[in-house]
Parts: sequence; C-alpha cells; structure tokens
Amino acid sequence: GQQLNQSPQSMFIQEGEDVSMNCTSSSIFNTWLWYKQDPGEGPVLLIALYKAGELTSNGRLTAQFGITRKDSFLNISASIPSDVGIYFCAGLIWETRGSRLTFGEGTQLTVNP
Amino acid sequence: GAGVSQSPSNKVTEKGKDVELRCDPISGHTALYWYRQSLGQGLEFLIYFQGNSAPDKSGLPSDRFSAERTGGSVSTLTIQRTQQEDSAVYLCASSFSRGRFGEKLFFGSGTQLSVL
Repeated sequence: GQQLNQSPQSMFIQEGEDVSMNCTSSSIFNTWLWYKQDPGEGPVLLIALYKAGELTSNGRLTAQFGITRKDSFLNISASIPSDVGIYFCAGLIWETRGSRLTFGEGTQLTVNP
Repeated sequence: GAGVSQSPSNKVTEKGKDVELRCDPISGHTALYWYRQSLGQGLEFLIYFQGNSAPDKSGLPSDRFSAERTGGSVSTLTIQRTQQEDSAVYLCASSFSRGRFGEKLFFGSGTQLSVL
C-alpha cells in the first residue's frame, strides 16, 4: 500500500521562528492534506490541496502540493506557543471502489517561549 | 454537541477482557472511520463505513477486532480478549462521503485504552 515519509519526526524551536516540514511518497496522490493534533484531542484539518503545484495559505500556514504529486510541504511562519502539537500529512488517492486516506507518521512540534 | 463524540474517554482493562468503544459521528455524515494511534506513532487505519455499503475492514489487525454501525449512525468498535499491545488511543472520524471531498475528516477526541 501507499506509504508516506514525513520529516522531521520532531522539532524544537524558539517562538517567532519559521518552521518547515514535508512529506514524500513513492506513490502519486490526488489530494494532500495537513492536520494538527493538540494533546488529548483528535486531529483537525488545517489545509487541503487538490492540484499539483497548488500553493495554499491559511493564516501563518502555507502548504504546497508538489509538481510530481508525490510530495507536499507545510510551512509555519512566526511560530507561537499554541502551534505546539503533532502535525500530520495525509495523502488521498481515488480508487475504483472509493478513496483511501493515508497518514504520515507525524511531526512533533515544540515551541519554546 | 456538533462534533464527533467518543466514549469512554479513558478505559483501563485487564488482559483477556473484552472492551467496547463507542462513536457518535456528526449528524448527516455518511462515512465513519476508526483509526488507532499508538504512543508516538501515526494514525493506523482500522475500518471504514460508508452508508449501507459493506465496510472496508482491511485495516483490522486481527479477528479479535470488529466493528458495527447501527442505523448508519452510531458505531461500536469491539476488541475481544484484549492484549497489552492493544493499548493505544482509538480515534473515530466522520465525513460527508468518501469521494472527492470526503477527505475532510472530523475526528473525535479518542478513547485512551490501557490494557494491564
């Protein structure tokens, strides 16, 4: 099945710094998604990307759908303490019987005030 | 509430016991998913329900795991003869469909299962 390689696994940064994380795969995906999970909660959708090359922003977050359709990155600018959490990429591939969503392993982000 | 509701939020059980985890999806959502998240790990797909179609059980790790969805709404995940390696957070998610825009999954807060 499809596998997503997400990196880095963890990041420790100072408040105000910019952050970048990415996901790569050997498979092509139709949609890329980025979720954030706060401690003790379920993941929440941050950004959805539908076309190769698409660049989308949501506040301080920017994500891009790679041209090859096999990768995506997420940038967070001017990080703040509430950015702490686990960030997951997810790829969606449309199959004859429906679609399947595959998640990356997550990037644990820690922001020091 | 308007979100996905899971119960219990925490469950501690003894090895060998059966457990049932419940999920109330968002009203009107036809697709329902169960995922498992082990400590420090990503999300492992378990099972998927879409309307009245046969569920996609391809992610269930063993025959000790089963799930049902009654009336197209509430779902119950059952783990029989629990083992210590079953300890994890079990997350439920729902969405409008599994098609083009079905990727907008809304997750519950999960059930933390601890098997002693």
